[in-house]
Amino acid sequence: NAGVMQNPRHLVRRRGQEARLRCSPMKGHSHVYWYRQLPEEGLKFMVYLQKENIIDESGMPKERFSAEFPKEGPSILRIQQVVRGDSAAYFCASSGTAVNEQYFGPGTRLTVT
Amino acid sequence: SQQGEEDPQALSIQEGENATMNCSYKTSINNLQWYRQNSGRGLVHLILIRSNEREKHSGRLRVTLDTSKKSSSLLITASRAADTASYFCATDEGGEYKLSFGAGTTVTVRA
Repeated sequence: NAGVMQNPRHLVRRRGQEARLRCSPMKGHSHVYWYRQLPEEGLKFMVYLQKENIIDESGMPKERFSAEFPKEGPSILRIQQVVRGDSAAYFCASSGTAVNEQYFGPGTRLTVT
Repeated sequence: SQQGEEDPQALSIQEGENATMNCSYKTSINNLQWYRQNSGRGLVHLILIRSNEREKHSGRLRVTLDTSKKSSSLLITASRAADTASYFCATDEGGEYKLSFGAGTTVTVRA
């Protein structure tokens, strides 16, 4: 049973470019969460999605960031016009019905140059 | 304010010794979880303890929870070099799915 998959593992973007991060939840999981981890800090909640629905995006910056979890395919976290401050590790987690039992992927490390 | 503050920030011990780290939080919780993160890797779920539980064991791990003091501790017994990692506690701040993490305790186990 494959765990949570994220790709790419490392992503380098120049300022102003777009970053697209992908997350495939564990088989049978329909809840997806995105977290951001800045250097030397813990993870911070960004957004919670179910298939085709954003349930809670209270942790997501209002501008440039968007997330989706389509009926088919992985969840996507999209960052438009990246800035240096977006450099961080972005983790995806998934769960079944027990939303507090979240399983994390390996993360995508975004570097903005 | 941030939930799940770990203490100490860093810990260095000899192989075979025990490692203890603490986590404090500010509001009431339904459960608290501990995760491990190896350098540059994802998080591995270690253990979940519910608010009505006081102690839980899993292999060489022992977790305690004191809801009156709003604190938890993670004890790793007979540490090994492979235990070198950062350890995070996470609480269900403001809703059961919105895990709130502290900055973590970095544990180094010397051979």
